Amino acid sequence: EDQVTQSPEALRLQEGESSSLNCSYTVSGLRGLFWYRQDPGKGPEFLFTLYSAGEEKEKERLKATLTKKESFLHITAPKPEDSATYLCAPWGDKFYFGSGTKLNVKP
Amino acid sequence: NAGVTQTPKFQVLKTGQSMTLQCAQDMNHEYMSWYRQDPGMGLRLIHYSVGAGITDQGEVPNGYNVSRSTTEDFPLRLLSAAPSQTSVYFCASSYTMNTEAFFGQGTRLTVV
Repeated sequence: EDQVTQSPEALRLQEGESSSLNCSYTVSGLRGLFWYRQDPGKGPEFLFTLYSAGEEKEKERLKATLTKKESFLHITAPKPEDSATYLCAPWGDKFYFGSGTKLNVKP
Repeated sequence: NAGVTQTPKFQVLKTGQSMTLQCAQDMNHEYMSWYRQDPGMGLRLIHYSVGAGITDQGEVPNGYNVSRSTTEDFPLRLLSAAPSQTSVYFCASSYTMNTEAFFGQGTRLTVV
């Protein structure tokens, strides 16, 4: 059965303290994976698309990586404005969203 | 450029009432979809459409109905509201199923 798990569920960091969020999945015929950011009371906002194992994408303090079984979102020297819920969404024959990691960056 | 517009933002319904959540996009996207988001469960796909006149069921379609008469609009109808349909609903659009999606601001629905 297809499954997506994001960990941790919640993460508290001090400003400047780097860390990684994990998205592990079992998806039939995996063809790619999205990362989205969601602020409270808003819809998800697109961050990255990854298509193949070994691929990496970067945007400001965020870097997304992909293997066959999991994806990581690395956050380097985060700032309070990076606080949000980060969602991964792998797709194969169907589309799936993880339940997200809620990131809180304290100044 | 408005993107994806959902109305209303908030709604309270009584059990058994029906209503329509509106969704419109101005990006000429073929693919549109409706999700519900519940705490701890992520976004779950209700219905989707790959173009005008074509709709299909997602993961949790029961109790919901959709139609797609134009490229721009994709309304979601609740036929007879139940407390289990209390949720936040998001509409999204994209060029295809496998390209980045643009989401609306959401509709917070409470069924009492």
